[in-house]
Amino acid sequence: EAQVTQNPRYLITVTGKKLTVTCSQNMNHEYMSWYRQDPGLGLRQIYYSMNVEVTDKGDVPEGYKVSRKEKRNFPLILESPSPNQTSLYFCASQGEGRTIGTEAFFGQGTRLTVV
Amino acid sequence: KNEVEQSPQNLTAQEGEFITINCSYSVGISALHWLQQHPGGGIVSLFMLSSGKKKHGRLIATINIQEKHSSLHITASHPRDSAVYICAPSGGSNYKLTFGKGTLLTVNP
Repeated sequence: EAQVTQNPRYLITVTGKKLTVTCSQNMNHEYMSWYRQDPGLGLRQIYYSMNVEVTDKGDVPEGYKVSRKEKRNFPLILESPSPNQTSLYFCASQGEGRTIGTEAFFGQGTRLTVV
Repeated sequence: KNEVEQSPQNLTAQEGEFITINCSYSVGISALHWLQQHPGGGIVSLFMLSSGKKKHGRLIATINIQEKHSSLHITASHPRDSAVYICAPSGGSNYKLTFGKGTLLTVNP
């Protein structure tokens, strides 16, 4: 079954304690991205990756890091989380398709609370 | 002005009614995605389209590239259709999605 798997689903942490949210896809997709979803602001892109070792900032990258060492995995790293990073996070992947990409597959979401 | 405008923001319908959700965008796009998000749930792709019309079961999506407008229609709506529907144009070489704020649909039995 084609899927994007995020872990953990829920996480409560304290300010400053480094954490990693994992994301893995089994569709051999080139393109992966991270989004955060906040009430009233909708979904916003944090980082994206066009392929292995190719990553770039999205609209709200401050306070986040990513890596793409393998095609299937795209972890999101918060080196020093702060309360304003409390949010619902989604990982997504797409294939290259012909020129417009393929449909987007989303992970189940990670609800992060930073206290 | 937001790059992606959806209307209405909230929609309540009776079971069986025909539903239309509209999306207007100002960005240049190569494709447009319609997504569904159930309360507390994940996001599921319903359609990706770059022209014309697509149909999956009771759902129909249309797009007019010249007018920068897309619509999502639900025929014979059912309470299980209750969810947030999100329009997301994508464009550029990085397939970036730009999201609308979503339309909360509630279908009452």
